[in-house]
Amino acid sequence: TQLLEQSPQFLSIQEGENLTVYCNSSSVFSSLQWYRQEPGEGPVLLVTVVTGGEVKKLKRLTFQFGDARKDSSLHITAAQTGDTGLYLCAVFMNYGGATNKLIFGTGTLLAVQP
Amino acid sequence: KAGVTQTPRYLIKTRGQQVTLSCSPISGHRSVSWYQQTPGQGLQFLFEYFSETQRNKGNFPGRFSGRQFSNSRSEMNVSTLELGDSALYLCASSLGRQGDGYTFGSGTRLTVV
Repeated sequence: TQLLEQSPQFLSIQEGENLTVYCNSSSVFSSLQWYRQEPGEGPVLLVTVVTGGEVKKLKRLTFQFGDARKDSSLHITAAQTGDTGLYLCAVFMNYGGATNKLIFGTGTLLAVQP
Repeated sequence: KAGVTQTPRYLIKTRGQQVTLSCSPISGHRSVSWYQQTPGQGLQFLFEYFSETQRNKGNFPGRFSGRQFSNSRSEMNVSTLELGDSALYLCASSLGRQGDGYTFGSGTRLTVV
């Protein structure tokens, strides 16, 4: 089973529409990060949320960390074709190593049609 | 400042061969992590190096290995390549503190035939 389940897996919408993607887990995290990966490139960090209930805005993107710090959502208002990409949530977890390692969710592939 | 540089960008190898991939982190970043990305498994953690020491390892066979040099540049090696090793290999650098964001390179696309 995946530590971080993202939904939906795929999303195809028209430019101008709103959308929300989710990142869920049964574990509690001290922080959670969101990345966006465009085709042929590596993921790029969008935001880090650290407090339960925290809401952060990045232009048309709104990120929320669940009150219990087990889940997060990303809402995009008035999507643009430039928002197309793979959205990944990620958390630091310790699996017996010297330190925590960054583990990624299953991803949501977003396609915004013109 | 320069980003994370991975070389080569594309690579085609034959089953049974070995391959070495290179990653130059952002100047000042001492931590380098490697990931394998495939359509079926997503982003899977391979290992992390910090100040030339491996401090985390994922669940990959011993054919996957890595190292880090004193200038923080890192290499990963895959020996006895299998068809299933075909993937995008990404490296990411960070300052190495817990909770820091990672900066990724553009990856090396490895195809094993």
